[in-house]
Amino acid sequence: DAMVIQNPRYQVTQFGKPVTLSCSQTLNHNVMYWYQQKSSQAPKLLFHYYDKDFNNEADTPDNFQSRRPNTSFCFLDIRSPGLGDAAMYLCATSRALRAHGYTFGSGTRLTVV
Amino acid sequence: AQTVTQSQPEMSVQEAETVTLSCTYDTSESDYYLFWYKQPPSRQMILVIRQEAYKQQNATENRFSVNFQKAAKSFSLKISDSQLGDAAMYFCAYRSARGTGANSKLTFGKGITLSVRP
Repeated sequence: DAMVIQNPRYQVTQFGKPVTLSCSQTLNHNVMYWYQQKSSQAPKLLFHYYDKDFNNEADTPDNFQSRRPNTSFCFLDIRSPGLGDAAMYLCATSRALRAHGYTFGSGTRLTVV
Repeated sequence: AQTVTQSQPEMSVQEAETVTLSCTYDTSESDYYLFWYKQPPSRQMILVIRQEAYKQQNATENRFSVNFQKAAKSFSLKISDSQLGDAAMYFCAYRSARGTGANSKLTFGKGITLSVRP
């Protein structure tokens, strides 16, 4: 089945130690998004790629970076994780057509110790 | 900028009963899409139902239906014959119908946690 896969499902990292979360898709969707979701809060968009074009949200901290080496893969890099970065990170994809919703991955739960 | 408001943080419903989840939004656009997403505990978010703003008819998907009031900017979700598997967090979301790239993003409400009593 076509899907969005996030690895790992759970990630524990040390304070200040760089960490990378990965997302892959078999849907051939143009757009890939990274959302941060803290407990009982709405998912917050960090950035997205429209094909190879990177779009950063204005309030996304510099600590967060992303790479999309090809259509199928997208990575979220956190250069120096702080305790406040502990959250669920959701990857989603969509076609360029606005009528369609997103297809989400299962998320990566990041814990910072 | 568009905003989506879900003012009820939690709701509870008896199994087999009907429940309505509320959502309001604010936009200056006339053409857009609205969505309800379901996020079960520790599982991926899935699309429940979507509504095109230019359509007057309310969307329906099996036990799920919406009450879309464009003038009031209200978009509620009705779940009929509630089942234990409906217990989840539900998010209302907005997406512009204009442009691409940044304009294609979803704006979510804070979500509502629905519990279903057996």
